[in-house]
Amino acid sequence: GQNIDQPTEMTATEGAIVQINCTYQTSGFNGLFWYQQHAGEAPTFLSYNVLDGLEEKGRFSSFLSRSKGYSYLLLKELQMKDSASYLCAAMDSNYQLIWGAGTKLIIKP
Amino acid sequence: GAVVSQHPSWVICKSGTSVKIECRSLDFQATTMFWYRQFPKQSLMLMATSNEGSKATYEQGVEKDKFLINHASLTLSTLTVTSAHPEDSSFYICSASETGTDHNEQFFGPGTRLTVL
Repeated sequence: GQNIDQPTEMTATEGAIVQINCTYQTSGFNGLFWYQQHAGEAPTFLSYNVLDGLEEKGRFSSFLSRSKGYSYLLLKELQMKDSASYLCAAMDSNYQLIWGAGTKLIIKP
Repeated sequence: GAVVSQHPSWVICKSGTSVKIECRSLDFQATTMFWYRQFPKQSLMLMATSNEGSKATYEQGVEKDKFLINHASLTLSTLTVTSAHPEDSSFYICSASETGTDHNEQFFGPGTRLTVL
């Protein structure tokens, strides 16, 4: 079956770095998405990886290893506003997004 | 960037009534729109995939007669919750894929919070 695993919750300190891991198993693979979702709001797109390697976009970076079925989202210089849920989603061969349950990130001062 | 709107943002209704939620792509054409439901502290659950001009494809366990989806144009899809009950109270989110993009990124609407009394 298709499955996405990511930690339920993580805590980090303002100004620090945090890495949120995601492992996936899908029928075919057309890319890995990371979304940010604040409480009570819809998800917003952060990144997309389809090739192995690291994609950097400002304070956020996303990494993909297709052979390992593994991705991570790296957040640097954490700010209080980064407190949110981070959703990992893999796109299968039918271009359907398979969603993880999300990682709730708590930032402490 | 691509913008998706949803209307209404929130709605409270009595049990047994029907509620219509609109999803619009404002600055792009969306061949495919998706409807999700999210209960508190849970992940997004895909309800159905809607392609313009054809019938929606519903996920297993989603009643197509209860959740009516219409995708009449490339910029509008509607979800009608018929005979709503308190257990239908949830956060309903639509998303749209822009025609011709290389990775079928989904752009999300702001969501509609439905409370059924």
